Amino acid sequence: KQEVTQIPAALSVPEGENLVLNCSFTDSAIYNLQWFRQDPGKGLTSLLLIQSSQREQTSGRLNASLDKSSGRSTLYIAASQPGDSATYLCAVNEAAGNKLTFGGGTRVLVKP
Amino acid sequence: SQTIHQWPATLVQPVGSPLSLECTVEGTSNPNLYWYRQAAGRGLQLLFYSVGIGQISSEVPQNLSASRPQDRQFILSSKKLLLSDSGFYLCAGLVRGRYTEAFFGQGTRLTVV
Repeated sequence: KQEVTQIPAALSVPEGENLVLNCSFTDSAIYNLQWFRQDPGKGLTSLLLIQSSQREQTSGRLNASLDKSSGRSTLYIAASQPGDSATYLCAVNEAAGNKLTFGGGTRVLVKP
Repeated sequence: SQTIHQWPATLVQPVGSPLSLECTVEGTSNPNLYWYRQAAGRGLQLLFYSVGIGQISSEVPQNLSASRPQDRQFILSSKKLLLSDSGFYLCAGLVRGRYTEAFFGQGTRLTVV
């Protein structure tokens, strides 16, 4: 059974510092991995989708890397801003039946 | 592009009352559909997923059930709500294949009182 873990569970940084969020998964037979942002009481906003054949994907200040063989993905957010404060979730799309499994999330607070 | 309409956005129900949450899909056919629950301060727990009409897989034993009466309709139900059913419920969809991105409804915040 696929298990997805995100460490740390919570992170607090001063504005301007780079953020590094980790996601690990136990079964490397995946189609892709997505990173999402969730604001309190809201739904999910898709940030980046990285295919199993890719090693990284970039959008603006966000960069996601994927090492499928070791079951790891990292989301980097450069020059953090208070508006980046949210919970960040990763989800893997398993090759066996397209099952979508989420990690527990990392709650980020960027202090002005 | 694919979208999911999920309603209602918020719901307050007494213990022991029935529940019906519905989501409908636009922009694609034959998607995989998922129901997730998020308890306060916790991650997203997969409750049910469906690969087609009438096909439901349950991930955790619980007080809830799901049905897929039409290709683009996915319903989450309960005959009698418990306090522990409170949470944020999200419907998600995924077009089968390697190069697809999951898409989500806006969620329903359920409070059982």
